[in-house]
Amino acid sequence: AQSVTQPDIHITVSEGASLELRCNYSYGATPYLFWYVQSPGQGLQLLLKYFSGDTLVQGIKGFEAEFKRSQSSFNLRKPSVHWSDAAEYFCAEDYGQNFVFGPGTRLSVLP
Amino acid sequence: EPEVTQTPSHQVTQMGQEVILRCVPISNHLYFYWYRQILGQKVEFLVSFYNNEISEKSEIFDDQFSVERPDGSNFTLKIRSTKLEDSAMYFCASKRDFNYGYTFGSGTRLTVV
Repeated sequence: AQSVTQPDIHITVSEGASLELRCNYSYGATPYLFWYVQSPGQGLQLLLKYFSGDTLVQGIKGFEAEFKRSQSSFNLRKPSVHWSDAAEYFCAEDYGQNFVFGPGTRLSVLP
Repeated sequence: EPEVTQTPSHQVTQMGQEVILRCVPISNHLYFYWYRQILGQKVEFLVSFYNNEISEKSEIFDDQFSVERPDGSNFTLKIRSTKLEDSAMYFCASKRDFNYGYTFGSGTRLTVV
């Protein structure tokens, strides 16, 4: 079955610390993968996407993600977290006929 | 970059009332979608639409729901008789062709009271 998993429901980091949010996908030799961020009560904002090519993808707000086929992973990273990064983060995969979101990881940032 | 536009951003309706959520997909896109996110939960697929007909729908998309592309630019989701459990954020999405990436709108928050 098509699925996207995010093992961490909630992560707390201190401001200025590095961040890695995990994502695993289950389908496709050449997956189309996405990371979205959602602030409370707000819509989805696209951080970055991977279709092909360089496995390290740069996004907005200083985020990057690395596609690792051998691990079926597409983890999101940021070297130094800001308080404004506190939000819900969703990994997602485009299956063509459908677009499946992971369950989300809530990020809290300590001052 | 072109955007998918959704209006209104927030709608409050009374239980049992009909509601229409509106979306303007990107102009050269051919595939259209609605997704739903109940507060605190994941984003779920509702329905996909191509060539003026529904191509796939989820279990959530029952007879109370319908979609329409009335004029070649708008894509609407109608809920015929709203229930409290229909309260959610509704996202519209479109894409140019089957193997191309989705573009999501910013969502309409529907509150049923």
